Amino acid sequence: QVQLVESGGGVVQPGGSLRLSCAASGFTFSSFGMHWVRQAPGKGLEWVAFIRYDGSNKYYADSVKGRFTISRDNSKNTLYLQMDSLRVEDTAVYYCAKDYCSGGRCYLGSLDYWGQGTLGTVSS
Amino acid sequence: EIVMTQSPATLSVSPGERATLSCRASQSVSSYLAWYQQKPGQAPRLLIYGASTRATGIPARFSGSGSGTEFTLTISSLQSEDFAVYYCQQYNNWPPLTFGGGTKVEIK
Repeated sequence: QVQLVESGGGVVQPGGSLRLSCAASGFTFSSFGMHWVRQAPGKGLEWVAFIRYDGSNKYYADSVKGRFTISRDNSKNTLYLQMDSLRVEDTAVYYCAKDYCSGGRCYLGSLDYWGQGTLGTVSS
Repeated sequence: EIVMTQSPATLSVSPGERATLSCRASQSVSSYLAWYQQKPGQAPRLLIYGASTRATGIPARFSGSGSGTEFTLTISSLQSEDFAVYYCQQYNNWPPLTFGGGTKVEIK
């Protein structure tokens, strides 16, 4: 079965860095676009970043552009999010999620499997 | 950026009753609209994509409708496990993907 397991969250001071990982299993990781979505405590969902299945295209929310970097290692079935210059407002649970594909067609941007999330807290 | 607006913010419904949730886009998203369910402490779960197609394993009591800028998620007969927060999300014009603020369905 499809599994996405995030790790790497923790507590960091403003201006610091965190590197999140998302280990994928149960599907052909190298064939799917992947996303990071975050949720601040008690708030709604905010899309953060996307990477194409082969890593050739990457997109970011304006709120993280220039500070966060999404990447993937298809040989390790792992997605990453490098978060630098962190701010208090980046505090959130970070989820990785995969694009939904069915019947040979992919619905890029609709997200069918999500990990359980990892909490990143930015606080002094 | 396309802004997604959901109403109401909270919906109080008795078990067995019908729930109707609304989602409006600031500009047309065609049928590139998804609905997600999120329970406390859990990740979101895809319910509907393409505005009206149920994702794999989603019960038939969940239905989606609409196109363009106005969308509806209907739960025909609420079960205890359906009390949760529901989010709509557009994927027509991105980046960025954008989500609505959510509707909390609570027990009346």
